[in-house]
Amino acid sequence: SAVISQKPSRDICQRGTSLTIQCQVDSQVTMMFWYRQQPGQSLTLIATANQGSEATYESGFVIDKFPISRPNLTFSTLTVSNMSPEDSSIYLCSVVVDSYEQYFGPGTRLTVT
Amino acid sequence: AQKVTQAQTEISVVEKEDVTLDCVYETRDTTYYLFWYKQPPSGELVFLIRRNSFDEQNEISGRYSWNFQKSTSSFNFTITASQVVDSAVYFCALDSNYQLIWGAGTKLIIKP
Repeated sequence: SAVISQKPSRDICQRGTSLTIQCQVDSQVTMMFWYRQQPGQSLTLIATANQGSEATYESGFVIDKFPISRPNLTFSTLTVSNMSPEDSSIYLCSVVVDSYEQYFGPGTRLTVT
Repeated sequence: AQKVTQAQTEISVVEKEDVTLDCVYETRDTTYYLFWYKQPPSGELVFLIRRNSFDEQNEISGRYSWNFQKSTSSFNFTITASQVVDSAVYFCALDSNYQLIWGAGTKLIIKP
């Protein structure tokens, strides 16, 4: 398994500002993902962030809005840029460890006012 | 197309009852993985089980059991003797090249 921490755990931000979410893993992992979970909904994959390569974004998500960094095998950041109330969600990072098991961080609850 | 369907939006049972959460999936892959996750009110996602497509044996872990049937493309989850702490949203997911395709989730309410 893997132990994943995220910072901040929650935040309330004003429209038009940006927030950077950090994801730290207790072991080196190659594959890391960022998800969004809107209120009462299932999870939607934002992007895959593998170390040493550019993040790969899913349809509907763009780098200008959700820039991602992956400087090493234990850390990644997701920035939510120029926020609007529609960005209010839980943002989760996840990692794939041995045997295809995917573990999730505790999530960052973002409210945009 | 890859798809996961959890038709039960919400289930409410009284404590100690058994409850089964349904999951039906669609994929053209011959090798794939299926998952169940639990999301309690606190919001974290708790990994419950991973099953690969070549292993159709049912699995039991304490009060939890899983029934995988390739013939019907189903991977159902049963909680025996449910407890209030089992109250959560449960997600079924299909792994497609490490990317999880999620069902809509089933909200399980266990009443004391």
